[in-house]
Amino acid sequence: KQEVTQIPAALSVPEGENLVLNCSFTDSAIYNLQWFRQDPGKGLTSLLLIQSSQREQTSGRLNASLDKSSGRSTLYIAASQPGDSATYLCASTGGANNLFFGTGTRLTVIP
Amino acid sequence: EPEVTQTPSHQVTQMGQEVILRCVPISNHLYFYWYRQILGQKVEFLVSFYNNEISEKSEIFDDQFSVERPDGSNFTLKIRSTKLEDSAMYFCASSPSGTNEKLFFGSGTQLSVL
Repeated sequence: KQEVTQIPAALSVPEGENLVLNCSFTDSAIYNLQWFRQDPGKGLTSLLLIQSSQREQTSGRLNASLDKSSGRSTLYIAASQPGDSATYLCASTGGANNLFFGTGTRLTVIP
Repeated sequence: EPEVTQTPSHQVTQMGQEVILRCVPISNHLYFYWYRQILGQKVEFLVSFYNNEISEKSEIFDDQFSVERPDGSNFTLKIRSTKLEDSAMYFCASSPSGTNEKLFFGSGTQLSVL
């Protein structure tokens, strides 16, 4: 069974800093990997989806990379803002029609 | 922008009671899902639904659970006889064509079983 782990569990940075969130997965036979944002009491918002044949995806200040061979993905956030404060989840799809979620990284951006 | 809507946002029930959680997926999506998140734990897959039938379910989704698409817009999750350990946030999600595309999640129903 796919295990997805995220490090660190929590991260606090000053506004304007660039940061990297890490995600690792045990089974490299994935179809794709998604990064989500979860705000307290709210649902999950899909930020980026990287297909297994891709190396990275970019959306605005966000850049996600995927290295299947090492079982790792990173989410890079440039010029962080207080509005980026949330929990970030990665999730892999391994062929079955469901997602395996990581434990999440709780990000706080301090003004 | 289209969104997945879930009702109610909070549900409190007594152990052993039946509950129905409701979801309206995005109208042109074909795949529907239920996930849950117990407080402090990972988001877990429960079931996926396509073409009016279950396409995948996890070991969590036992005989106490059922899903239904009673009409062209609603997608429901029924828990027949709730247990304390069913207390969780339940998320509905939909996708145009499965997990090869982004999933769109609702804001969830917080279920508390007393």
